[in-house]
Amino acid sequence: EPEVTQTPSHQVTQMGQEVILRCVPISNHLYFYWYRQILGQKVEFLVSFYNNEISEKSEIFDDQFSVERPDGSNFTLKIRSTKLEDSAMYFCASSDRITETQYFGPGTRLLVL
Amino acid sequence: QQQVKQSPQSLIVQKGGIPIINCAYENTAFDYFPWYQQFPGKGPALLIAIRPDVSEKKEGRFTISFNKSAKQFSLHIMDSQPGDSATYFCAASGSNFGNEKLTFGTGTRLTIIP
Repeated sequence: EPEVTQTPSHQVTQMGQEVILRCVPISNHLYFYWYRQILGQKVEFLVSFYNNEISEKSEIFDDQFSVERPDGSNFTLKIRSTKLEDSAMYFCASSDRITETQYFGPGTRLLVL
Repeated sequence: QQQVKQSPQSLIVQKGGIPIINCAYENTAFDYFPWYQQFPGKGPALLIAIRPDVSEKKEGRFTISFNKSAKQFSLHIMDSQPGDSATYFCAASGSNFGNEKLTFGTGTRLTIIP
């Protein structure tokens, strides 16, 4: 069964450093999302992406965040200058036009020290 | 208005019992209501979903009940098993041809004891 994959599974970084989280969505999907989950809390929407541009972004997704689809398979989330409060699990998701089901990847656990 | 309220926060049920998790929403533009199951260290996985044109949907041991007038929906797990122990999230979105963010509830940590 097709699945969303994410790399790395864990990332530890120093405050102020840039990180790039990578995702490979399901191959025939057209809609891509990033969500985050702070430990023990609910899953929160960050951004959605369609047709090579951002469709919607949340208040969390400020100027420090950016997304890109550099080729036909990868979808990346960049945090330019990480803060302590960026420590969370980051999930990538993708969906197709027909079912609207969003399939989530296993997540990247980001720890900012 | 964008929130989805979920209860209880945690739930312990004996094996074979029927845990019930409830969610409520305010935004009448929501018309897609999925439930996700999450095991520790894993991503949320879609369990079952419903649209407001039906009041109930069953898939295996999982049932969603939907009350459009009350803006509430709930998940029932029949014949619960220890393997069902996980965190369950309700969510909601509006239809936008697949391009719509999910708004999640706060989650329910379910424990099924043998």
